[in-house]
Amino acid sequence: QLQLQESGPGLVKPSETLSLMCTVSGGSISSNSYFWGWIRQPPGKGLEWIGSIYYAGRTYYNPSLKSRVTISVDTSKNQFSLKLSSVTAADTAVYYCARHFVGVPENWFDPWGQGTLVTVSS
Amino acid sequence: DIQMTQSPSSLSASVGDRVTISCQASQDITNYLNWYQQKPGKAPKLLIYGASNLVTGVPSRFSGSRSGTDFTFTISSLQPEDIATYYCQQYDDLPLYTFGQGTKLEI
Repeated sequence: QLQLQESGPGLVKPSETLSLMCTVSGGSISSNSYFWGWIRQPPGKGLEWIGSIYYAGRTYYNPSLKSRVTISVDTSKNQFSLKLSSVTAADTAVYYCARHFVGVPENWFDPWGQGTLVTVSS
Repeated sequence: DIQMTQSPSSLSASVGDRVTISCQASQDITNYLNWYQQKPGKAPKLLIYGASNLVTGVPSRFSGSRSGTDFTFTISSLQPEDIATYYCQQYDDLPLYTFGQGTKLEI
């Protein structure tokens, strides 16, 4: 059974870079047809897609965050990571990683990691 | 960008009720819409993909349909374990994936 687990600091100072890791277990991150995505959810609010990456390195980012986001993959460790620079309080959220199936006509996020709360505060 | 308008934002119903949630796209997205369930304190879970396809293992009381740019998510007979927030998500406006605002379902 595929499982994803986020890890990283729970507190980041304003203007610094948020860095999170997602470890995939129970399956290979190098699977065809699957991207690997990051989605966030501010406390009490809805979901926002951040970006997705294919194991070979192809990335897609939310245009509203693109200038600050970098997603990378380490196939040897079955992990992918998120970096979000110049954070502000508006970036405080629960950050989820998820498997992202990209096909036609199907395209979905499942399963998801349990999520990790990142607070931006001095 | 395609805007997704989900309604209602909250809903109170009784066990056994038929529950419907709507999601309207600002333009044609064909069937490119998914529905997720998020229980309190948990990660979202995919229930329906491609507007009307039920994920394997999801109870058959859940269903989805489409009429033009209007999408409907239905629970035919509400169960206590269905208490959650439900989100629609479009994947027509690639590479931007957007979610509806969510519908909080209470008993």
